[in-house]
Amino acid sequence: GAVVSQHPSWVICKSGTSVKIECRSLDFQATTMFWYRQFPKQSLMLMATSNEGSKATYEQGVEKDKFLINHASLTLSTLTVTSAHPEDSSFYICSLQRYWGLAGGSQNNEQFFGPGTRLTVL
Amino acid sequence: AQTVTQSQPEMSVQEAETVTLSCTYDTSESDYYLFWYKQPPSRQMILVIRQEAYKQQNATENRFSVNFQKAAKSFSLKISDSQLGDAAMYFCVYGGATNKLIFGTGTLLAVQP
Repeated sequence: GAVVSQHPSWVICKSGTSVKIECRSLDFQATTMFWYRQFPKQSLMLMATSNEGSKATYEQGVEKDKFLINHASLTLSTLTVTSAHPEDSSFYICSLQRYWGLAGGSQNNEQFFGPGTRLTVL
Repeated sequence: AQTVTQSQPEMSVQEAETVTLSCTYDTSESDYYLFWYKQPPSRQMILVIRQEAYKQQNATENRFSVNFQKAAKSFSLKISDSQLGDAAMYFCVYGGATNKLIFGTGTLLAVQP
């Protein structure tokens, strides 16, 4: 498997402020990371795919200027919710795919998920 | 586009009994993976079992097994000897050529002591 961390696990902020969520791979290099959003009692909704060293690819309907994604290294991707509003309150989850490298291969499509971040916007 | 359907929003099983969760999917791809992920109250997503479409043999992981019917595009999960810790939301998930995962709507499993 793989260990993925997210920070913070829970954040409360005022409307209009920006919030940054970090997703880290602790034990392997991840060229591709994914960001999901999950509303209570619902499934995961893919927001964007983050590739190291390039711009993120956003799913239809997701505002790229509102949800800024930066994949600065093979072990870190960040999601910044800019000018957050109460409707942005949700559970945000990141996931990683293993890196195809000399040390090992991908489990093909298997993603390893972070523990999630609960965002509450007042 | 690929779709995943879970027709059972909620299921309940007695401890030590067996339960089967249903999943159907639609795809035109020939090479893909199917997964069952579990999301307990902690909300941490956990991989339960994985099936490669090219393999005819059904995957098994301890008490968890699948019934993969490729022609029927069906992928059910059987949990044997259910335990209290199995209580969770279960998602049937498709992984194809795009590397994106497509999630079903989930089945909330309750385990009665």
